[in-house]
Amino acid sequence: AQKVTQAQTEISVVEKEDVTLDCVYETRDTTYYLFWYKQPPSGELVFLIRRNSFDEQNEISGRYSWNFQKSTSSFNFTITASQVVDSAVYFCALSGNQAGTALIFGKGTTLSVSS
Amino acid sequence: DAGVTQSPTHLIKTRGQQVTLRCSPKSGHDTVSWYQQALGQGPQFIFQYYEEEERQRGNFPDRFSGHQFPNYSSELNVNALLLGDSALYLCASSLTQGRGQPQHFGDGTRLSIL
Repeated sequence: AQKVTQAQTEISVVEKEDVTLDCVYETRDTTYYLFWYKQPPSGELVFLIRRNSFDEQNEISGRYSWNFQKSTSSFNFTITASQVVDSAVYFCALSGNQAGTALIFGKGTTLSVSS
Repeated sequence: DAGVTQSPTHLIKTRGQQVTLRCSPKSGHDTVSWYQQALGQGPQFIFQYYEEEERQRGNFPDRFSGHQFPNYSSELNVNALLLGDSALYLCASSLTQGRGQPQHFGDGTRLSIL
């Protein structure tokens, strides 16, 4: 069975602090895909990044960076110099390799950034 | 380029009623998935439609049904509504071609059951 665990329910930081959101996954598939989504108060899930299981290179996009470690089944997300606009719920998700496979989401981490 | 659009935005129903939610996929996408998100939880997969057929289904009862039209838009129908059906219903679209394509979500329909 596939499972995604986001152990941090809520995180509060002050602007300009760095923050890391943890994601641990379980799957028996050898080929799979990992995603991060952001959900602001408006409700829409915004796609941030996709990683496939064969690409363990870390990725940086502006203030965002992702650390994929297959050995520990983790796909962590770091926001550098956080801003108030980063306040949202962040979801990690997993999908398999077959066409039409569903996204399996974690329960999400609520990030609150205060000024 | 229009993204995923859902209607209505909010809906209030009573127990036992039936509801239909609608979704138009992002331009160029051919696959539509529906998710239910209860308060404080991650989205749960309901089902996915491709080529007007249900391709995959999550652990939801038969009261939940859907349809996809030739223009790729989709409907989610829920019969005999229960209080526990109160949730945010999210529609997502994607391209079937290629594995692991990201799903793009709409703003959702917030359904409240009284």
